[in-house]
Amino acid sequence: QSVLTQPPSVSAAPGQKVTISCSGSSSNIGNNYVSWYQQLPGIAPKLLIYENAKRPSGIPDRFSGSKSGTSATLGITGLQTGDEADYYCATWDSSLSGSVFGTGTTVTVL
Amino acid sequence: QVQLQESGPGLVKPSETLSLTCTVSGYSISSGYFWGWIRQPPGKGLEWIASMYHSGSTYYDLSLKSRVTISVDTSKNQFSLKLNSVTAADTAVYYCARKKSAYYHFDYWGQGTLVTVSS
Repeated sequence: QSVLTQPPSVSAAPGQKVTISCSGSSSNIGNNYVSWYQQLPGIAPKLLIYENAKRPSGIPDRFSGSKSGTSATLGITGLQTGDEADYYCATWDSSLSGSVFGTGTTVTVL
Repeated sequence: QVQLQESGPGLVKPSETLSLTCTVSGYSISSGYFWGWIRQPPGKGLEWIASMYHSGSTYYDLSLKSRVTISVDTSKNQFSLKLNSVTAADTAVYYCARKKSAYYHFDYWGQGTLVTVSS
């Protein structure tokens, strides 16, 4: 059972915006950086957002991250069919002394 | 460009030991960073297994800690995972990855390797 909770799925039409929430606690999100990963079907996860809101080189600014208290949010604007994937949040859990991943969210472009 | 590649048997019998190696190219393990393993059971989400620093600091998922060993071979620029007493529940795609530090993100990932536990 993951300690980080995400909605199972979100969907929107091409060009629209979606947000994915990641809910945790003070031992994880509340006191540590959050990262987000995109996993296209059959492919290894790819880093999308790190340190709550930073984008690695090559990641378009359509992807954004934010954190408030014990929750984090990934936003995707200008939705494209190529964005259909599973998205995972992750952070460090100080109580567990380990990394934790969210339950994952499937994004569908209608 | 940093690249990671997992290798090891694709089929392991129940109660035996799963052994995987991750070969790193484009970066020297002994230069720093943490190195870790993550798995993904078929149709399910990502599960962190373990991470370690090249000089020895290790962190393990508490539910797997009694069965897992992670180690580094700086001479070969590789790190390894051993998971003993496996069951069908350990069937998964296993990924190796690089981590900026114990508390930070995984920035480079291997392509993953499917390990099936079956007799």
